[in-house]
Amino acid sequence: EAQVTQNPRYLITVTGKKLTVTCSQNMNHEYMSWYRQDPGLGLRQIYYSMNVEVTDKGDVPEGYKVSRKEKRNFPLILESPSPNQTSLYFCASSPLTGELFFGEGSRLTVL
Amino acid sequence: AQSVSQHNHHVILSEAASLELGCNYSYGGTVNLFWYVQYPGQHLQLLLKYFSGDPLVKGIKGFEAEFIKSKFSFNLRKPSVQWSDTAEYFCAVNYGGSQGNLIFGKGTKLSVKP
Repeated sequence: EAQVTQNPRYLITVTGKKLTVTCSQNMNHEYMSWYRQDPGLGLRQIYYSMNVEVTDKGDVPEGYKVSRKEKRNFPLILESPSPNQTSLYFCASSPLTGELFFGEGSRLTVL
Repeated sequence: AQSVSQHNHHVILSEAASLELGCNYSYGGTVNLFWYVQYPGQHLQLLLKYFSGDPLVKGIKGFEAEFIKSKFSFNLRKPSVQWSDTAEYFCAVNYGGSQGNLIFGKGTKLSVKP
């Protein structure tokens, strides 16, 4: 089954404790992206990647890092999480047609 | 800056009412247009998309949207909503045909009363 898989789905952590949210897609898409969703703000792009080893900042990259060492994986790294990074995070991938396929989401709470 | 505007933050309708959700985008170049739906507690799913051709596009679950280039609009419609259509709806635009880089509107929450 074609899908984008994120882990963990739910996480509660404390300020400053590094964490990684994994994302994997099995559709051989070149493009992958991370979004955060906050009430009243819609979806905002954090980082995106056009291909392996090619990443770029989205609208709200501060406090986040990404890597794209393999085509299927695009982890999101929070080196030192802060409470303002409490949010619902979505990973997505895209074929050449431009439409996005989303993962199930990861709800992160930073205390 | 490129942007997408959704006119309504929250729409409340009774079952069988007709629905129209507005979406306008900035910039007049080549665009690909999308509507996504997010049911409560779920991820975003594609409702319909427009790349070229007939400006009236039909999607899943009886939804349709009309691309009006002169108005930079891509409004979503459904003749008769059901309680199961309760969800949040997002309009998204891909500028210049660049792969994947979608700009999203802030979403419209639709509540359908049974």
